[in-house]
Amino acid sequence: AQSVTQLGSHVSVSEGALVLLRCNYSSSVPPYLFWYVQYPNQGLQLLLKYTSAATLVKGINGFEAEFKKSETSFHLTKPSAHMSDAAEYFCAVSGNNNDMRFGAGTRLTVKP
Amino acid sequence: DSGVTQTPKHLITATGQRVTLRCSPRSGDLSVYWYQQSLDQGLQFLIQYYNGEERAKGNILERFSAQQFPDLHSELNLSSLELGDSALYFCASSVGYREPAETQYFGPGTRLLVL
Repeated sequence: AQSVTQLGSHVSVSEGALVLLRCNYSSSVPPYLFWYVQYPNQGLQLLLKYTSAATLVKGINGFEAEFKKSETSFHLTKPSAHMSDAAEYFCAVSGNNNDMRFGAGTRLTVKP
Repeated sequence: DSGVTQTPKHLITATGQRVTLRCSPRSGDLSVYWYQQSLDQGLQFLIQYYNGEERAKGNILERFSAQQFPDLHSELNLSSLELGDSALYFCASSVGYREPAETQYFGPGTRLLVL
């Protein structure tokens, strides 16, 4: 069965610093992977998704993620954090029925 | 704005009661998904409908049921409510269901508080 694990429930960075949010997946078939962001009191917004077309996926708001099969990872990065990036980030994998299986989430705090 | 609407935004009720949450998918989307987000369980898939038919079930309790109507809006019914049902309930929609990488667009959620 497909699943994802997010390493670190809380990440804190300074404004302008690199953002790295970690996600590892488990899947017996080639996975379809997603990163979603949830701002306070809002729904989830898709940042990017991996569909096997390219291992480096670029998303919105300057985020990107790299699919590494050898490491079963799909980490999310952004070169320079902005205050507006403070939110909860969820990694997800598409299940057999197209249901999303989410990780526990990582709360990103950006310090001025 | 994802184009998915959910009502009500907030709901406060008592244990043992029954509530109905409503979701309208994006225009043109035929699939509707329901998710529950709680502090202890995280984000969990409950159930999916496609063009009026149930397609997949996740961790949905027997006290919960859903349906999708001919106009494609969906309702999630929660009955015999318990304190532990307090959570944020999200609806999402997508065009179809056959493509595993189909993007799901999430509504703003309904926050349910059971007292």
